[in-house]
Amino acid sequence: GNSVTQMEGPVTLSEEAFLTINCTYTATGYPSLFWYVQYPGEGLQLLLKATKADDKGSNKGFEATYRKETTSFHLEKGSVQVSDSAVYFCALTNTGFQKLVFGTGTRLLVSP
Amino acid sequence: GAVVSQHPSWVICKSGTSVKIECRSLDFQATTMFWYRQFPKQSLMLMATSNEGSKATYEQGVEKDKFLINHASLTLSTLTVTSAHPEDSSFYICSAPTGRVTEAFFGQGTRLTVV
Repeated sequence: GNSVTQMEGPVTLSEEAFLTINCTYTATGYPSLFWYVQYPGEGLQLLLKATKADDKGSNKGFEATYRKETTSFHLEKGSVQVSDSAVYFCALTNTGFQKLVFGTGTRLLVSP
Repeated sequence: GAVVSQHPSWVICKSGTSVKIECRSLDFQATTMFWYRQFPKQSLMLMATSNEGSKATYEQGVEKDKFLINHASLTLSTLTVTSAHPEDSSFYICSAPTGRVTEAFFGQGTRLTVV
């Protein structure tokens, strides 16, 4: 079946550090891939997405590239801010967004 | 933008009691909503699909008599955990599609602790 594996947290960084959160997946067919973010006290928000191999999703300085050869969709940001502190979820679907398969989430803590 | 509000954000209840969680779409109508559950250190898992005006569709392994879902209007779905037990303690979160293919909005989630 479909599954998503992402690194356990928390990931603790200083402001302006480089961020990578690893995400790998197992899926049949050609899934769409997503990163969702949950800020404290809020719902999950779509951060970025990629719908086919080699696509790069980007938003708010975050990027992730759909790598079919390595079945990965790692999240990166060149310079994190304190306001980026949140929980990040990698997810996929190949049946439409309503049947999302999520990773366990990775908590990011950014200190000044 | 579209907002989904979930209430309560956390609840503690005694074993054997029932707990109701509400999920509202605040500025759009949702004929379908989705309920997910996350156990500690595990992924968010889809529990059921809530359909306005008809019965919910449950994923394999989810007890429909234990997790009652009601979608009485185009803006409200409720999940009731009946006769709760400690093993039901979990994080529950709802989502509602907006009509665009790859976008759905999520509530804030509810942390349920059964003691």
